Amino acid sequence: NAGVTQTPKFRVLKTGQSMTLLCAQDMNHEYMYWYRQDPGMGLRLIHYSVGEGTTAKGEVPDGYNVSRLKKQNFLLGLESAAPSQTSVYFCASSLTRRIYEQYFGPGTRLTVT
Amino acid sequence: GENVEQHPSTLSVQEGDSAVIKCTYSDSASNYFPWYKQELGKRPQLIIDIRSNVGEKKDQRIAVTLNKTAKHFSLHITETQPEDSAVYFCAARPDFGNEKLTFGTGTRLTIIP
Repeated sequence: NAGVTQTPKFRVLKTGQSMTLLCAQDMNHEYMYWYRQDPGMGLRLIHYSVGEGTTAKGEVPDGYNVSRLKKQNFLLGLESAAPSQTSVYFCASSLTRRIYEQYFGPGTRLTVT
Repeated sequence: GENVEQHPSTLSVQEGDSAVIKCTYSDSASNYFPWYKQELGKRPQLIIDIRSNVGEKKDQRIAVTLNKTAKHFSLHITETQPEDSAVYFCAARPDFGNEKLTFGTGTRLTIIP
């Protein structure tokens, strides 16, 4: 099993450009999450999904959209990138509501200039 | 919502000594408390977790203690080794009606040879 994978690993955007980050998991997990990690601020939840076709807002959802059309994939979109969105983005997944361990992807380092 | 505070933000200990990292949480409904380790440039990985029905859990050189009355929990690492150098994150989540983890801001642990 590959576990949780993310593409791309690195990306540089100009202000106003758009992009989509892809998260894929092959563990048949129900729950998927997108976090951003900034120095000194830990991991902050952007959006999450409790199952195929469902999404919900996390702690810092502004400027991002998500979709979960297939159980194994969770997409994070930036419609108009801003320098404040420069960060490392981690995707995570967990099996069910009662099994909490979250497995993280390798991360995507995004720079917005 | 839940708020998790983590202290200290940085910690240096001599190899072989013990390290303790402390977290406090605000939501009395939280009853799952994991600890994640993140090595430089890598993804966070779960190292130990505890549920509120126990006060302490050990796994070799690491242990976690929980005081639900005071709403704080701690990570203890004994006989520290160079490979313990990393950033450690605590987190908390309620058991029902909430699928989200709230993370602390992290502790950078450095083991001095």
